[in-house]
Amino acid sequence: GAVVSQHPSWVICKSGTSVKIECRSLDFQATTMFWYRQFPKQSLMLMATSNEGSKATYEQGVEKDKFLINHASLTLSTLTVTSAHPEDSSFYICSARGMNTEAFFGQGTRLTVV
Amino acid sequence: GNSVTQMEGPVTLSEEAFLTINCTYTATGYPSLFWYVQYPGEGLQLLLKATKADDKGSNKGFEATYRKETTSFHLEKGSVQVSDSAVYFCALANNAGNMLTFGGGTRLMVKP
Repeated sequence: GAVVSQHPSWVICKSGTSVKIECRSLDFQATTMFWYRQFPKQSLMLMATSNEGSKATYEQGVEKDKFLINHASLTLSTLTVTSAHPEDSSFYICSARGMNTEAFFGQGTRLTVV
Repeated sequence: GNSVTQMEGPVTLSEEAFLTINCTYTATGYPSLFWYVQYPGEGLQLLLKATKADDKGSNKGFEATYRKETTSFHLEKGSVQVSDSAVYFCALANNAGNMLTFGGGTRLMVKP
């Protein structure tokens, strides 16, 4: 199946700093990418949907100025957590889909803010 | 709107036992249905899917049948292994297939 690579797998950062997470589709063109957040022992919460070259569409309750999403190319989307705080600690997962394909998931990024 | 409800876990079974994880959904139109598996510390992997009523998805001994009349997509496996221990998510995608709606996840623990 198609491969979606997410980097880094885990990151620890200090409170107040910003962290960038990359999501790459390695063998297909991702016209749409999704960013999810998963709290411990809970399901995935969709944060935003981004189409290549367009601004991301954020779900209700997700701060777009805090979670900056860029989808500048058909193979790369980035999520930047700005001015991170301990409550932003979570597991972030991206998924990508191309034209007429199902969504493929990255392996996730565990963010810990200390 | 769309929603997915699956049985709460954890589900604890002995090796070689029969597994059923219930999943029901609410959706407009004719969604596609999926089961994803998440192993500890990893992202989600597609386990199986079905795109229309009465379709049966199958993979690695797991099966699920798209039942439109009962709006269900229950996951089954005849004989579980310790390596099947993971969290299983039922999900649906709308007609455009753009967005997945996930159930709450069910943790399966298989003991030797």
